[in-house]
Amino acid sequence: QKEVEQNSGPLSVPEGAIASLNCTYSDRGSQSFFWYRQYSGKSPELIMSIYSNGDKEDGRFTAQLNKASQYVSLLIRDSQPSDSATYLCAVTLGAQKLVFGQGTRLTINP
Amino acid sequence: NAGVTQTPKFQVLKTGQSMTLQCAQDMNHNSMYWYRQDPGMGLRLIYYSASEGTTDKGEVHNGYNVSRLNKREFSLRLESAAPSQTSVYFCASSEGRVQHFGDGTRLSIL
Repeated sequence: QKEVEQNSGPLSVPEGAIASLNCTYSDRGSQSFFWYRQYSGKSPELIMSIYSNGDKEDGRFTAQLNKASQYVSLLIRDSQPSDSATYLCAVTLGAQKLVFGQGTRLTINP
Repeated sequence: NAGVTQTPKFQVLKTGQSMTLQCAQDMNHNSMYWYRQDPGMGLRLIYYSASEGTTDKGEVHNGYNVSRLNKREFSLRLESAAPSQTSVYFCASSEGRVQHFGDGTRLSIL
């Protein structure tokens, strides 16, 4: 089992709809969880971090964490074409290291 | 606001050649990282340095060496390049949980 798993997609969502991205992880000791956005040919950019169970909202983005189920998700409301990118889930392993999922490619259709 | 700067941005090598990728950060971060990203595989950790003077192996360290020259600079060396090392290489730095990425080096080994 991979340490961090994501559906690689592609995930296609109509403009204005909610995009839902999911991630599961294997290490129950993980404490910090991140969502990075990566446009084609560019570097990863942090968009959300979450450290405790529940929801965390920032503008159109909501991160959800369920440590019991080892599950973290990202919701994007009112999806825009500019949200089309690959979204990387990352989870801490120990104090310093991040483990990344393979990424989900999201396409928002006008 | 340079953040994390990587040089070069692009490089083509022949099998067996050596190469050093440079990374410098101006955020006074203690920790620095080298990742590689291959299609469909997310980012994989090659080496990291928790502080000046220390380095540790990551998941895919074989064929690479690193040097933490000072607090700002963390270099990655390929002693004898192989086609399997064709990839995009990202350097990152952090102080605390969040990692900040450079723009990447696109390396092709023929």
